Amino acid sequence: DQQVKQNSPSLSVQEGRISILNCDYTNSMFDYFLWYKKYPAEGPTFLISISSIKDKNEDGRFTVFLNKSAKHLSLHIVPSQPGDSAVYFCAASGSGTASKLTFGTGTRLQVTL
Amino acid sequence: NAGVTQTPKFRVLKTGQSMTLLCAQDMNHEYMYWYRQDPGMGLRLIHYSVGEGTTAKGEVPDGYNVSRLKKQNFLLGLESAAPSQTSVYFCASCWTRMSNQPQHFGDGTRLSIL
Repeated sequence: DQQVKQNSPSLSVQEGRISILNCDYTNSMFDYFLWYKKYPAEGPTFLISISSIKDKNEDGRFTVFLNKSAKHLSLHIVPSQPGDSAVYFCAASGSGTASKLTFGTGTRLQVTL
Repeated sequence: NAGVTQTPKFRVLKTGQSMTLLCAQDMNHEYMYWYRQDPGMGLRLIHYSVGEGTTAKGEVPDGYNVSRLKKQNFLLGLESAAPSQTSVYFCASCWTRMSNQPQHFGDGTRLSIL
């Protein structure tokens, strides 16, 4: 039972354009959502997060949008850069759960020149 | 500033052998976690610890044991390795019980069971 889903295994975007990565969840108890970025042979690194009391959080080129009614969040990267090429994981956590994370399966983003 | 350090980085085992993976963090974090990553499946939680001397099961705990004798270290043990345990193992840690504290990850241990 996949509680966090990333339905697009891969995405290719031209440099300078917008990258949009999507994530859906099924567990209504999730109240915090995070995006992690992972390069090959490295561990995931935290990128940006959003609480369920918000619908948008922005940090530089990265913006995360949350639609609670649709149980959907998305990560926007504008403008996309070649260094953004990596695997992006969506993760969710619920209060009182010892900050355990439930991860999606990841989306591989390739930013082309 | 090491963060989360995992030892070893690579290991090949034969079926039935045992081994221990070590995770060390220097951030004084209370919470620590072990995940495994398999192709097409994202990261799945094996075991976790909310403090020294405490451990709990995650989503996929079978075949693994853990210990947290010191706050900075979290050990993951395979008593009798099986080919199904071939995976990349990640350790993570974070500060508090609040959901909004991001976990910090190590660079992983790639384990192959023949």
